[in-house]
Amino acid sequence: SYVLTQPPSVSVVPGQTARITCGGNDIGSYLVHWYQQQPGQAPVLVVYENRYRPSGTPERFSGSNSGTTATLTISRVEAGDEADYFCQVWDSGRDHVVFGGGTKLTVL
Amino acid sequence: QITLKESGPMLVKPTQTLTLTCTVSGFSLNTGGVGVGWIRQPPGKALEWLALVYYDDEKRYRPSLKNRLQITKDTARNQVVLTMTNMDPVDTATYSCAHTNGDGYFDLWGRGTLVTVSS
Repeated sequence: SYVLTQPPSVSVVPGQTARITCGGNDIGSYLVHWYQQQPGQAPVLVVYENRYRPSGTPERFSGSNSGTTATLTISRVEAGDEADYFCQVWDSGRDHVVFGGGTKLTVL
Repeated sequence: QITLKESGPMLVKPTQTLTLTCTVSGFSLNTGGVGVGWIRQPPGKALEWLALVYYDDEKRYRPSLKNRLQITKDTARNQVVLTMTNMDPVDTATYSCAHTNGDGYFDLWGRGTLVTVSS
């Protein structure tokens, strides 16, 4: 089955830029979606279809996808951005949903 | 306003069957393109998609769990039910339901319910 690989953790200083990657075989041909999960809370969609933001997602959040890596970029990181982030695709070949292993973003 | 709320037992014994209900509001389970999925998350671990049912009753299952899962919808009651047979302690997790417009992602989630499998 299709596998999405995320780094377990990313650390960043407030005000700097955080980049969270999601790797997969030819992931550039998939539509990638990103979720933010605060501790003890349900996941929230922050980016869909590689680069679109739902209403309510700050413009500081952006997404890109090419080749074998999709990236969620968070600019001007704030303490409130500290959370787990998961990437997700729809594997149309096997007709099912795939999540990445998640990345814990720590704001130092 | 779309909401989803999960309900079901907090504790099940090994080998028992788990039945979870997702009660939705703010949309119809018959609306074209709409689907409701179930996703679980063991404590401290990643999200794991389980199943999905669409407005037209098309269903999709996680391949590795397909033999243990059944998802159904009751449009009149605005409910989606997931059953999982032969529960094991490794199935201990928070189980959540989520809404999709059929575009391949889940735009709204319920808060989830923690299910512990223990004798």
